[in-house]
Amino acid sequence: EDQVTQSPEALRLQEGESSSLNCSYTVSGLRGLFWYRQDPGKGPEFLFTLYSAGEEKEKERLKATLTKKESFLHITAPKPEDSATYLCAVQGESNFNKFYFGSGTKLNVKP
Amino acid sequence: DADVTQTPRNRITKTGKRIMLECSQTKGHDRMYWYRQDPGLGLQLIYYSFDVKDINKGEISDGYSVSRQAQAKFSLSLESAIPNQTALYFCATSDHRDRGTDTQYFGPGTRLTVL
Repeated sequence: EDQVTQSPEALRLQEGESSSLNCSYTVSGLRGLFWYRQDPGKGPEFLFTLYSAGEEKEKERLKATLTKKESFLHITAPKPEDSATYLCAVQGESNFNKFYFGSGTKLNVKP
Repeated sequence: DADVTQTPRNRITKTGKRIMLECSQTKGHDRMYWYRQDPGLGLQLIYYSFDVKDINKGEISDGYSVSRQAQAKFSLSLESAIPNQTALYFCATSDHRDRGTDTQYFGPGTRLTVL
């Protein structure tokens, strides 16, 4: 069964303390893996789409990487404004009209 | 202006009432989606539409209906609202032409409370 699991559920960092969020997935053929940022009460904001293992994408302090089983969102020297819930989702080849979302990692960056 | 807009942003209603949530987009995407989000849970797909003449049920369509009035407009209706439909509702769009992958872009959401 296709599914997405994110860990940890919550992460508390000091400003400047780098870390990584994990997204493990099982899907029959990956069409795309997506990372979103969501602030409380707001819609998910698109960050990255990764298409195949080995691919990496960067945006400011964020870097997303992809293997055949998992993706990491690396946060370098985070700032308090990076505090949010980060969501991961996958779209498979065999059932391309379905999107599997993880429950998210809630990141809190303290000044 | 936002690419994906939703109205209303907040709505409080009573059990049994009919409610319509509206979504408009200026991204020019063919595909549109409705999701609901409950606290601590992932996004759940209610309905999706790949073009104006195409409507498909998602994983939790019971109690909901949709209408695709135009490429840019997709509305969600609750025919007879019940309290467990209290949730955040999001509309999303995608452009399938990007390597055949549907990167979804979300609206700001509608907070619905059913008393």
